[in-house]
Amino acid sequence: QKEVEQDPGPLSVPEGAIVSLNCTYSNSAFQYFMWYRQYSRKGPELLMYTYSSGNKEDGRFTAQVDKSSKYISLFIRDSQPSDSATYLCAMRAQGGSEKLVFGKGTKLTVNP
Amino acid sequence: GAGVSQSPRYKVAKRGQDVALRCDPISGHVSLFWYQQALGQGPEFLTYFQNEAQLDKSGLPSDRFFAERPEGSVSTLKIQRTQQEDSAVYLCASSAPGPNQPQHFGDGTRLSIL
Repeated sequence: QKEVEQDPGPLSVPEGAIVSLNCTYSNSAFQYFMWYRQYSRKGPELLMYTYSSGNKEDGRFTAQVDKSSKYISLFIRDSQPSDSATYLCAMRAQGGSEKLVFGKGTKLTVNP
Repeated sequence: GAGVSQSPRYKVAKRGQDVALRCDPISGHVSLFWYQQALGQGPEFLTYFQNEAQLDKSGLPSDRFFAERPEGSVSTLKIQRTQQEDSAVYLCASSAPGPNQPQHFGDGTRLSIL
């Protein structure tokens, strides 16, 4: 079993829909949680960065972390065709190596 | 301001050849990371540096992979005697000084081994 599990999709939604993306993890040492967006043939772009449990909102994006369930989510409101990309969750432990552990990525298409 | 710059963007090599991939981090960033991304997968950690010190190389898949950052800025990832399974996108990321800074990625080098 991988440390981070993420449904690869693909996920297809109409424009304006609310999108929910999720990851589960097994390593209780993870304390920092990130969501990256990756367009085709581009590098991952940081969207959200949260520490420990709780919610964080930035414009149309909301990140949630539930450490008790080892479950993180990214919500996208009023989705746009420009949101069509692969979304990667990533996480790391506090202290020690700064390496990130990524999920497989979920491919999202928002249809006009 | 410039982001993380990687070169070349694309590299084709024959099996058995050596390749060198370059990463220029964001100016002032002290930590530099290398990841390997296979098709349809998330990035997998290879190694990272803080300034010129290589602090973790646990993700390097074999002794054919070698990374260096001699002056604490530009880094080179070298793969010797390439094999077909080395075909992937190699991503470089850097982060600013201070604890728990986010990592910012370049667009990667797409390596194809024939």
